[in-house]
Amino acid sequence: GAGVSQSPSNKVTEKGKDVELRCDPISGHTALYWYRQSLGQGLEFLIYFQGNSAPDKSGLPSDRFSAERTGGSVSTLTIQRTQQEDSAVYLCASSTRLNTDTQYFGPGTRLTVL
Amino acid sequence: ILNVEQSPQSLHVQEGDSTNFTCSFPSSNFYALHWYRWETAKSPEALFVMTLNGDEKKKGRISATLNTKEGYSYLYIKGSQPEDSATYLCAFPNTGNQFYFGTGTSLTVIP
Repeated sequence: GAGVSQSPSNKVTEKGKDVELRCDPISGHTALYWYRQSLGQGLEFLIYFQGNSAPDKSGLPSDRFSAERTGGSVSTLTIQRTQQEDSAVYLCASSTRLNTDTQYFGPGTRLTVL
Repeated sequence: ILNVEQSPQSLHVQEGDSTNFTCSFPSSNFYALHWYRWETAKSPEALFVMTLNGDEKKKGRISATLNTKEGYSYLYIKGSQPEDSATYLCAFPNTGNQFYFGTGTSLTVIP
């Protein structure tokens, strides 16, 4: 079956512009995660959606970051007024439900802020 | 923020050698420990999800053990092959389903 997909695969933007990153999880997966990996760093948790519950936004680094998940499926991560430190690979993952379930990762979006 | 540490940071081994690396995590409020393999230009791929103290999992030449009381897991690769070259990540979820990843062990297998 289809895996997790993300778009765009690469995004180059100018400092101060807004960007939207999209994630299509595996059909039927109720849990969806966003992570980012900055150069030389590990995977950093950003936000977690579980079904129709309010998302856990505790990992978002600033109020310039927001995410939504429409209809319990597709998710969009929005970064407003991008800064150079936002440059990273943004990964999305989905799983069935619990923290004991395997996460399936998308290919990522490489964001470069000039 | 929970502290998940992996060692060594990087490793170079000759083809055919066996190797192992470590993931350390908090020993309290344990739910699961995940291992992933991340090859360059690909998505992280799940290897194991371990939930019970003393758990041992095996997938081909790769195996893992878990000690929840002391807070560590070992990943072993027997007879390393060049295709095993990747970064190996462990992840520790907390009660709120936030996953804390280690910085990974980068393995290079030299033919």
